[in-house]
Amino acid sequence: DVKVTQSSRYLVKRTGEKVFLECVQDMDHENMFWYRQDPGLGLRLIYFSYDVKMKEKGDIPEGYSVSREKKERFSLILESASTNQTSMYLCASSHRDRGITDTQYFGPGTRLTVL
Amino acid sequence: AQSVTQLGSHVSVSEGALVLLRCNYSSSVPPYLFWYVQYPNQGLQLLLKYTSAATLVKGINGFEAEFKKSETSFHLTKPSAHMSDAAEYFCAVNTGGFKTIFGAGTRLFVKA
Repeated sequence: DVKVTQSSRYLVKRTGEKVFLECVQDMDHENMFWYRQDPGLGLRLIYFSYDVKMKEKGDIPEGYSVSREKKERFSLILESASTNQTSMYLCASSHRDRGITDTQYFGPGTRLTVL
Repeated sequence: AQSVTQLGSHVSVSEGALVLLRCNYSSSVPPYLFWYVQYPNQGLQLLLKYTSAATLVKGINGFEAEFKKSETSFHLTKPSAHMSDAAEYFCAVNTGGFKTIFGAGTRLFVKA
């Protein structure tokens, strides 16, 4: 079974703090993704990575950065947390099928609250 | 540009009734289409996917979806709802490359 794990299920941080969210997958997938999920908005892509040390901005990258030093690990960093970053954060990984992102496997999510 | 529209943010059915969740997409090229399900306090998991083979796709837990190119639709159905089907369902499309576009989601309620 594919497993994607996220470092925390719940996190409470203060405005201005630096926040690290970590994600690990065990299926040797090339692609990894960070999404945020907000009610009525579905999933919005923050950043993705298609290889070690490679990253691409998604639709809402402002206020976030990422790091992928090893194939199995993809970190999301909030440089200076703000209240509008309170959300559910989902990590996913996938194989690439003929250049197209195939089925994504999701972690359980981290519910981040910024006070 | 790709987009996905799920009609109805909330759908309520009685146990044993037909489940129909609607999804329309916009794409100028043949897409990969997905339905994912999210149970409370969990991440998303794949229900089924269409990748240009058979237009009627069967998934897990008795769900199926039909790709209709002329209608640009990929509606999800299940003949008989079960209480355990209560969850949020997401339709998603990928027309090439890394990005998959997700719909806003439809929350399914199942009444006893």
